[in-house]
Amino acid sequence: EVQLVQSGAEVKKPGESLKISCKGSGYRFTNYWIGWVRQMPGKGLEWMGIIYPGDSDTRYSPSFQGQVTISADKSISTAYLQWSSLKASDTAMYYCARRGYCSTGSCPNWFDPWGQGTLVTVSS
Amino acid sequence: QSALTQPRSVSGSPGQSVTISCTGTSSDVGGYNYVSWYQQHPDKAPKLMIYDVSKRPSGVPDRFSGSKSGNTASLTISGLQAEDEADYYCCSYAGSYFWVFGGGTKLTVL
Repeated sequence: EVQLVQSGAEVKKPGESLKISCKGSGYRFTNYWIGWVRQMPGKGLEWMGIIYPGDSDTRYSPSFQGQVTISADKSISTAYLQWSSLKASDTAMYYCARRGYCSTGSCPNWFDPWGQGTLVTVSS
Repeated sequence: QSALTQPRSVSGSPGQSVTISCTGTSSDVGGYNYVSWYQQHPDKAPKLMIYDVSKRPSGVPDRFSGSKSGNTASLTISGLQAEDEADYYCCSYAGSYFWVFGGGTKLTVL
């Protein structure tokens, strides 16, 4: 079974750093892009960025460029989303999701499956 | 890049059909046949329901269908069931490794 399992909920103070994870299983992790999506409390989904674990090619939404860092460790089939200095406005649920398989010359533009989400709460 | 525009809420009775619209621009919905739809139940992760405008993943009931005309995509759910009550999000590829979501639509089954 293809699965993405995310790390547990975090409670942090403003200014602290944080790295959350997304571990893939049931498929060849290096062959599929992994995206990150934010959902603020009571709000909709927002695209943050995407990484190809095979070569760590990473792309960011302009809204999140410079605000977060996306990385991956293919040796343990895990992608990461990290902050160097959290703000209260980073309080949200964060999801990772796998892009469809890219064959030669063609990449799907849908995401399935999704991780269960990691709730990040930033409060003083 | 602005979010795609969806109605905040729609409703229907069991057995009826509902359609949720998703309006973008020629840079996203209108420019690519890469619209997908996700269902999200409360406190659950989103689930892919439709991809590439009108294709259904294995396991998704054929009551769910998608279409697109110009800059507007639509999700239609026929034969509404209580379990369909959820939030629905459209998503479009917008080029250069960028995707944009709609604001979400809350479907209430009366």
